[in-house]
Amino acid sequence: EVQLVESGGGLVQPGGSLRVSCEASGFTFSSYWMHWVRQAPGKGLVWVSRINSDGSSTTYADSVKGRFTIFRDNAKNTMYLQMNSLRAEDTAVYYCARGRGSYYGNDYFDYWGQGIVVTVSS
Amino acid sequence: EIVLTQSPATLSLSPGERATLSCRASQSVSSYLAWYQQKPGQAPRLLIYEVSNRATGIPARFSGSGSGTDFTLTISSLEPEDFAVYYCQQRSNWPGTFGQGTKVEIK
Repeated sequence: EVQLVESGGGLVQPGGSLRVSCEASGFTFSSYWMHWVRQAPGKGLVWVSRINSDGSSTTYADSVKGRFTIFRDNAKNTMYLQMNSLRAEDTAVYYCARGRGSYYGNDYFDYWGQGIVVTVSS
Repeated sequence: EIVLTQSPATLSLSPGERATLSCRASQSVSSYLAWYQQKPGQAPRLLIYEVSNRATGIPARFSGSGSGTDFTLTISSLEPEDFAVYYCQQRSNWPGTFGQGTKVEIK
């Protein structure tokens, strides 16, 4: 059974940093693009970042470029999102999601984690 | 960035009725469109991909159609568990973008 489990969320002050993790199981993690998608309270879904199967290629939404870093450790079946210079507008539930299988990473998301709450507030 | 506009914002229907949800793209996305279902407090679930292909385990009452800029998700006969928010998503041009959602509520 495919499982994605996020951890590491919480409350952080504006300008602060936080790292969230996504541990995968039930599939060959090292074969898939992985993504982060977020959802602000009461709002819709917004794609944040993606990373290819071996970690050599990453892409970011303009809203987080230069502040967030996505990376992965395939030996640990885990993906990370390092979030720096956090702003109030980064407050959201962050979901990790598996890309369905596109070679170039332009993908749909066929499995999702349960989500982790990140709150940026003083 | 491609903008997806979903309509209506809210659909009030009774169990057993047919639901028709619309998603319009600001430019052609060819057949690169998916639909997701999200229930309160849960992660989204992939229902349909490439316009009309049902994801694993998705019941046949869910169907998708369309091409280019206009797409439809149809639920042929609403079950109690189908009342939720539905999002469309395109993968034609990255970043992949989502519509703002349609809430299907019990009338």
